[in-house]
Amino acid sequence: DTGVSQDPRHKITKRGQNVTFRCDPISEHNRLYWYRQTLGQGPEFLTYFQNEAQLEKSRLLSDRFSAERPKGSFSTLEIQRTEQGDSAMYLCASSLLAGYDTGELFFGEGSRLTVL
Amino acid sequence: GQNIDQPTEMTATEGAIVQINCTYQTSGFNGLFWYQQHAGEAPTFLSYNVLDGLEEKGRFSSFLSRSKGYSYLLLKELQMKDSASYLCAGMFSGGYNKLIFGAGTRLAVHP
Repeated sequence: DTGVSQDPRHKITKRGQNVTFRCDPISEHNRLYWYRQTLGQGPEFLTYFQNEAQLEKSRLLSDRFSAERPKGSFSTLEIQRTEQGDSAMYLCASSLLAGYDTGELFFGEGSRLTVL
Repeated sequence: GQNIDQPTEMTATEGAIVQINCTYQTSGFNGLFWYQQHAGEAPTFLSYNVLDGLEEKGRFSSFLSRSKGYSYLLLKELQMKDSASYLCAGMFSGGYNKLIFGAGTRLAVHP
């Protein structure tokens, strides 16, 4: 399978705990995005990496959230001191930066977080 | 901002045609995407428009008017499996090609 993969698919945690999600993008893709989606809403942009550089962060991303892409391949999204409002689906997407490319994003299946 | 607006819900009958509209703010606009998302699954790419006009791909077509900040997705010969959310997303300059999504239109196809 050469699509975007995310792990874990589901995470249930207690308020105040830390959680970490991992995303493995399509191997030749140099752009990686994290989005958050709640029920009945479209995905909301959180952050963007080009290779290993984090180039943009949404104002939605409080200082409890941190994302890394250490070698320009996989990425992690960590949420510290989780709150019930963090309950959502966290989607990772990747794309290829190329002159001919439309910029289409390829999404993973998502990591669903439930904070009790 | 780049508000993306689309209807919340629509219903249609199997075999019929349905049009899902989307409007967006035109400032910095670079392209318009439509994605399909079944419940509990990842969004999957349907279409991309950057120039005015209609792009046809099988049963699905997408239209764009850049001057009006308007797009629609046309689904023909509806099938039950087309019941899903349809996400309109815009790409805008200065945004590293990130997509700004609307809230999605939940389409229910009935027999």
